[in-house]
Amino acid sequence: GQSLEQPSEVTAVEGAIVQINCTYQTSGFYGLSWYQQHDGGAPTFLSYNALDGLEETGRFSSFLSRSDSYGYLLLQELQMKDSASYFCAVSGSNYQLIWGAGTKLIIKP
Amino acid sequence: NAGVTQTPKFRVLKTGQSMTLLCAQDMNHEYMYWYRQDPGMGLRLIHYSVGEGTTAKGEVPDGYNVSRLKKQNFLLGLESAAPSQTSVYFCASSFPGTENEQFFGPGTRLTVL
Repeated sequence: GQSLEQPSEVTAVEGAIVQINCTYQTSGFYGLSWYQQHDGGAPTFLSYNALDGLEETGRFSSFLSRSDSYGYLLLQELQMKDSASYFCAVSGSNYQLIWGAGTKLIIKP
Repeated sequence: NAGVTQTPKFRVLKTGQSMTLLCAQDMNHEYMYWYRQDPGMGLRLIHYSVGEGTTAKGEVPDGYNVSRLKKQNFLLGLESAAPSQTSVYFCASSFPGTENEQFFGPGTRLTVL
């Protein structure tokens, strides 16, 4: 079967750095995606890693280790607007994304 | 560009009633998807389409049907609604080969009593 695991909740302080981890078990792995979803809103795409290493997009970075079936999303200089749920998702060989249950990021002033 | 739009935004049904959710996209995407999201959970794929006239089952297809008669539209039907289908439904679309980067509609909040 296919499954993804990520923490259900993470708390951090405004201005700090936070890392959200994701481990996966899947067949036909092509890459790992990250999405952000604010309460009541729709998911929005953040990043995609197909190869090992770190991808940086502004304050957000995403990392992938294919040999460890592991990735993480790193958020720097946290702002209150970053309070949201973050989902990792795996793309395989059949046009589909398999989604994790999401990590709720709580930011305290 | 409107992106991905969904109608209706909210709906309340009684058990056994039927309805159709409409998704439209103006980005010329080939691939379209229907998901459901339940509280505290990730998205689960119901059905998807890789082109006009084609549909395929996802992870949780039972109780739903879909049609993709036009490239820009993807319809999700519930023939006989059940309380277990109370959920938020999201439509998404993407270009071929980029299913990792999907664009989502605002969602439809469906309650089945």
